[in-house]
Amino acid sequence: NAGVTQTPKFQVLKTGQSMTLQCAQDMNHNSMYWYRQDPGMGLRLIYYSASEGTTDKGEVPNGYNVSRLNKREFSLRLESAAPSQTSVYFCASSMGRTSGDVTDEQYFGPGTRLTVT
Amino acid sequence: AQSVTQLDSHVSVSEGTPVLLRCNYSSSYSPSLFWYVQHPNKGLQLLLKYTSAATLVKGINGFEAEFKKSETSFHLTKPSAHMSDAAEYFCVVSDQSSASKIIFGSGTRLSIRP
Repeated sequence: NAGVTQTPKFQVLKTGQSMTLQCAQDMNHNSMYWYRQDPGMGLRLIYYSASEGTTDKGEVPNGYNVSRLNKREFSLRLESAAPSQTSVYFCASSMGRTSGDVTDEQYFGPGTRLTVT
Repeated sequence: AQSVTQLDSHVSVSEGTPVLLRCNYSSSYSPSLFWYVQHPNKGLQLLLKYTSAATLVKGINGFEAEFKKSETSFHLTKPSAHMSDAAEYFCVVSDQSSASKIIFGSGTRLSIRP
């Protein structure tokens, strides 16, 4: 099992460019999450998907969109990148339940380090 | 509203001495509480979690934490530090109702002196 994989590992964008961060999990988990990590601020939830076919906003959704492509894959899109989006992005998944219980242990990917100039 | 406060941004201990990483929380509901560890340039890994069962929770690598409702604390301890424990540690609070209420603390960096 690969667990949670993320691509790319590193990315540099210019202001205004767009890109999609990819995330996949092979643990048959229901719930998936996107976080950003900034120095001294812990992780902040951007979007999550409690189950296939649903997505919801987290704490800091502005400037981002997500797609739960299928049960395995959950992508994060930056339509017009800004320097404030320079961060390390983590994808995570958890078993969850079809009813949307999202307090299970989360399994994290290795992260994508994004720089916007 | 939920919140979590990690009281120390950096803790330094000598190898073989006890570790104490402090976490206080506030929650309107009966919370679930977690400790995660992040080694440099890695993702996060669960150390332990509390979900209203036993108040003393044992985790991996000899870590444990005690849920104290009266003090709204969930401090992480280990009797004897090892060099491999050097990492960033995050306390996390969540209620049962929504993933949007998962809140991470700002982290405590643990350094181990030889």
